[in-house]
Amino acid sequence: ETGVTQTPRHLVMGMTNKKSLKCEQHLGHNAMYWYKQSAKKPLELMFVYSLEERVENNSVPSRFSPECPNSSHLFLHLHTLQPEDSALYLCASSHLGQGQPQHFGDGTRLSIL
Amino acid sequence: GDSVTQMEGPVTLSEEAFLTINCTYTATGYPSLFWYVQYPGEGLQLLLKATKADDKGSNKGFEATYRKETTSFHLEKGSVQVSDSAVYFCALIRYAGGTSYGKLTFGQGTILTVHP
Repeated sequence: ETGVTQTPRHLVMGMTNKKSLKCEQHLGHNAMYWYKQSAKKPLELMFVYSLEERVENNSVPSRFSPECPNSSHLFLHLHTLQPEDSALYLCASSHLGQGQPQHFGDGTRLSIL
Repeated sequence: GDSVTQMEGPVTLSEEAFLTINCTYTATGYPSLFWYVQYPGEGLQLLLKATKADDKGSNKGFEATYRKETTSFHLEKGSVQVSDSAVYFCALIRYAGGTSYGKLTFGQGTILTVHP
């Protein structure tokens, strides 16, 4: 059971498609995060939103475009992806403040054809 | 930069065996430390945490102690069950420049398989 819900759970798309990943948190948190989990690599932080403002962008290519319309919702818009972008994309949220753990959703498994 | 190193897996144990998964870290300042667990087809779940030196985190029979002198946070469980089979991630979080949001750095994960 998780307070962070991600949809869809699985997504297959071609390199020229446009799609969006959605994340919703029901925990009253005020920070949200996107991570990428690839096979045989540590989890990579992609973006951080704090109080709905983007505060981190870890050198992520522009074909990934995040959006945070309010503190409960986070989107990742995808356009013209590459095969190496196939991965599990995880959303997380947390309270602000030191020592606060991040709570993760179950992820979206993305496959690029 | 920050880094987390976990013992390489996979680790295969029989039910009721003792578990240790080693984790060491490199970081400046005073990070908080976490263990997360990922079951097949799911996201990461927080297993336990410790926020300062000598703190012991514990949950569901798992324990880990924040050892600043050895920069370690080893995960232990006295008697594992088949249901503990999963991938375990050690992680640290550090707050830079007065920010109140943390940047998690993960280890590579250790696969644990427990047989009946």
